[in-house]
Amino acid sequence: EAQVTQNPRYLITVTGKKLTVTCSQNMNHEYMSWYRQDPGLGLRQIYYSMNVEVTDKGDVPEGYKVSRKEKRNFPLILESPSPNQTSLYFCASRAGLAAYNEQFFGPGTRLTVL
Amino acid sequence: DQQVKQNSPSLSVQEGRISILNCDYTNSMFDYFLWYKKYPAEGPTFLISISSIKDKNEDGRFTVFLNKSAKHLSLHIVPSQPGDSAVYFCAASPDGNQFYFGTGTSLTVIP
Repeated sequence: EAQVTQNPRYLITVTGKKLTVTCSQNMNHEYMSWYRQDPGLGLRQIYYSMNVEVTDKGDVPEGYKVSRKEKRNFPLILESPSPNQTSLYFCASRAGLAAYNEQFFGPGTRLTVL
Repeated sequence: DQQVKQNSPSLSVQEGRISILNCDYTNSMFDYFLWYKKYPAEGPTFLISISSIKDKNEDGRFTVFLNKSAKHLSLHIVPSQPGDSAVYFCAASPDGNQFYFGTGTSLTVIP
């Protein structure tokens, strides 16, 4: 089944404790992206990647890191999480670089930083 | 600063009638526009897209209209069905890589 998977689905952590949220897709998609969803703000793009070893900042990259060492994986790294990073995070992937191609979203990771 | 705005947080429509969801944007560099639907506890799913060279795109019950001069797009759902009840997000992109989403409109279709 074609899908985007994220792990963990739920995470409660404390301020300053490094964490990684994994994202994997089995569709051989070139483009991958991370978003966060917050009440009243919609979805905001954190980082995106057009292919292996090619990443760039989205609208709200502060406090986050990403890497794209393999085509299928695009982990989101929070080196020193803070309470304002409490959010619902979505990973997405898309075939090719055409903007109007649909992005396939993962099920989301709900992160709470205490 | 929100570059894509959905000013109606919620909308209720009778089953069988038309649902019209609106979206406004401020950045004239946006060239690609998409609509996504989101059910609770799931990721968004793609509905329909349009590029700035067109003013209308249709896919079954869903039609997106783009008015570039007004920086406005709308999604029409005809006829509306109870299964259409979800949160709808519009999104815009200047280059196909960066995406800006609206805050969403919660649609309720009443049977």
